[in-house]
Amino acid sequence: EVQLVESGGGLVQPGGSLRLSCGASGFTFSRYWMHWVRQAPGKGLVWVSRVNVDGRSTSYADSVKGRFTISRDNAKNTLYLQMNSLRAEDTAIYYCARDGAAVAGLDAFDIWGQGAKVTVSS
Amino acid sequence: DIQLTQSPSFLSASIRDRVTITCRASQGIRSYLAWYQQKPGKAPKLLIYAASTLQSGVPSRFSGSGSETEFTLTISSLQPEDFATYYCQQVNSYPLTFGGGTRVEIK
Repeated sequence: EVQLVESGGGLVQPGGSLRLSCGASGFTFSRYWMHWVRQAPGKGLVWVSRVNVDGRSTSYADSVKGRFTISRDNAKNTLYLQMNSLRAEDTAIYYCARDGAAVAGLDAFDIWGQGAKVTVSS
Repeated sequence: DIQLTQSPSFLSASIRDRVTITCRASQGIRSYLAWYQQKPGKAPKLLIYAASTLQSGVPSRFSGSGSETEFTLTISSLQPEDFATYYCQQVNSYPLTFGGGTRVEIK
């Protein structure tokens, strides 16, 4: 079964750090670009970051640039999001998602994880 | 950044109704638009990509159309399992952006 499973969420104080992980199974992880998308409570979806297949090319939303770092370990089939200098407005469910464009010719996020909840509060 | 404006933001409809949701882009995005369905407490699910291509396994009552700046998602006959929030997304250029969502509820 094709699957993404996030972990590492939790409660952190403002200014703190957290690292999210996203484990992939059921497909060749190293062939796909990957993304993080977040959703604040009661709000819509916001794209956060993406990484290419070898991890050498990344992009970020302005709201997280300089604070968050996306990376991947293809040997471990795992995507990461290192979040530093966290703010209350970073409170959200964080989803990892697979980008189908390069392999399946599918320009969209075709597989999503179940989400990891991150709460930034004192 | 490309802004996506969905309308309506809320829609009340009955079973078997035909429902249309519009997504307008602030600049032309060719056909680089996707539609997702999200139910409460669940991850989004891809419905349509490339503006009009139905994702595998998605019922044929869902359809998409449009190009450049105006797009529509149509549900030809609303079913009980279709009550959810729908989002459009542009994948034409970074930063990728989503519309604000359309919540479809039972009348």
